[in-house]
Amino acid sequence: SAVISQKPSRDICQRGTSLTIQCQVDSQVTMMFWYRQQPGQSLTLIATANQGSEATYESGFVIDKFPISRPNLTFSTLTVSNLSPEDSSIYLCSVGRPGREKLFFGSGTQLSVL
Amino acid sequence: DAKTTQPPSMDCAEGRAANLPCNHSTISGNEYVYWYRQIHSQGPQYIIHGLKNNETNEMASLIITEDRKSSTLILPHATLRDTAVYYCIVSGYNDMRFGAGTRLTVKP
Repeated sequence: SAVISQKPSRDICQRGTSLTIQCQVDSQVTMMFWYRQQPGQSLTLIATANQGSEATYESGFVIDKFPISRPNLTFSTLTVSNLSPEDSSIYLCSVGRPGREKLFFGSGTQLSVL
Repeated sequence: DAKTTQPPSMDCAEGRAANLPCNHSTISGNEYVYWYRQIHSQGPQYIIHGLKNNETNEMASLIITEDRKSSTLILPHATLRDTAVYYCIVSGYNDMRFGAGTRLTVKP
């Protein structure tokens, strides 16, 4: 199993600013995923962040808007840049090996942009 | 794109079995079926997963049809705390993509 600590749990930001979300795992993991959940919607995969390689972004998500760092096997950050009200969502990190084992999820970061 | 189809909502009486269906007609041979649930805005909670055999754990049972094109999650004795959005996911080895899910409401 894996225990994920995600920070901050919530934040209110002004438009045009940026927010960096941290994801700390209590064990070494190869695969880490970042998701967005817009109000009332399901989870949408933003990117896959594997240690030692550049993050792989899903269609509709770009590195300039959502830069990701993965400096080691227990930590990652997602930055949401140039915030607009449309970025108001819950952002979640997840770790695990899909298709082999279950994915574990952090508790999420509730972002509100004014 | 999500590879699953689920009814948007279902109701279940407390104490009765909740049977949540999922269609995944385009599933590939090496893809697993996963079930997660999300209560309010918490992080998704793992329930169960399987490849082709039926699976059971302390939370639920997963019944996968022989052709693997559909599955059913069974909560044997639903409680009010089982009210949540349930996601059926078909996952390969590279990522896990969520569909729209089924909002299950357990009623007293």
